[in-house]
Amino acid sequence: GAVVSQHPSRVICKSGTSVKIECRSLDFQATTMFWYRQFPKQSLMLMATSNEGSKATYEQGVEKDKFLINHASLTLSTLTVTSAHPEDSSFYICSARGPNLRVHGYTFGSGTRLTVV
Amino acid sequence: QKEVEQDPGPLSVPEGAIVSLNCTYSNSAFQYFMWYRQYSRKGPELLMYTYSSGNKEDGRFTAQVDKSSKYISLFIRDSQPSDSATYLCAMSAENYGQNFVFGPGTRLSVLP
Repeated sequence: GAVVSQHPSRVICKSGTSVKIECRSLDFQATTMFWYRQFPKQSLMLMATSNEGSKATYEQGVEKDKFLINHASLTLSTLTVTSAHPEDSSFYICSARGPNLRVHGYTFGSGTRLTVV
Repeated sequence: QKEVEQDPGPLSVPEGAIVSLNCTYSNSAFQYFMWYRQYSRKGPELLMYTYSSGNKEDGRFTAQVDKSSKYISLFIRDSQPSDSATYLCAMSAENYGQNFVFGPGTRLSVLP
């Protein structure tokens, strides 16, 4: 199989604090992981592409200083939302290209619901 | 025009009905097409993966791709309440590429 584990599943934080979200590929190596954001009743919007051992590539309009991505190993990528504000409240999902694209597609984590109060 | 369009629904059907979900796209370079199912507050899970035009069947699910019309479909036979979810189409021009695009998703409710 190709399992991506995302943690935490839900987090509530105070405005101005930072939150770290972890994404792990459990049974395969993922040199590239993707971070998405999803607002209610809307589709996934790609925020950034995380490459192991190098800097992440951010989509237009995504603040790289606010959404820090670290991909220090072949199985772990982290997204840190710095100085979070209520407008950052959203559902964040990571994904990785599975070892066999035709079988696994892009495997997604279960998502993290961030609420900033 | 959005790159990938999909009727957002919600679509409500009775249990046992045949469901047809569709996406249209504008980029003729797309060759790889996927359907994902997303339950509420969960990450999407891959349902079907197809390449180029044609049909692919897997149990109660059938995916169709018509590249000439830039139109893809997912059919669900004998729909069950457990099929109630949001269905997202996704497509890419490259098999190993990173640039794949999601449709906005269709919310489906199968009523018992």
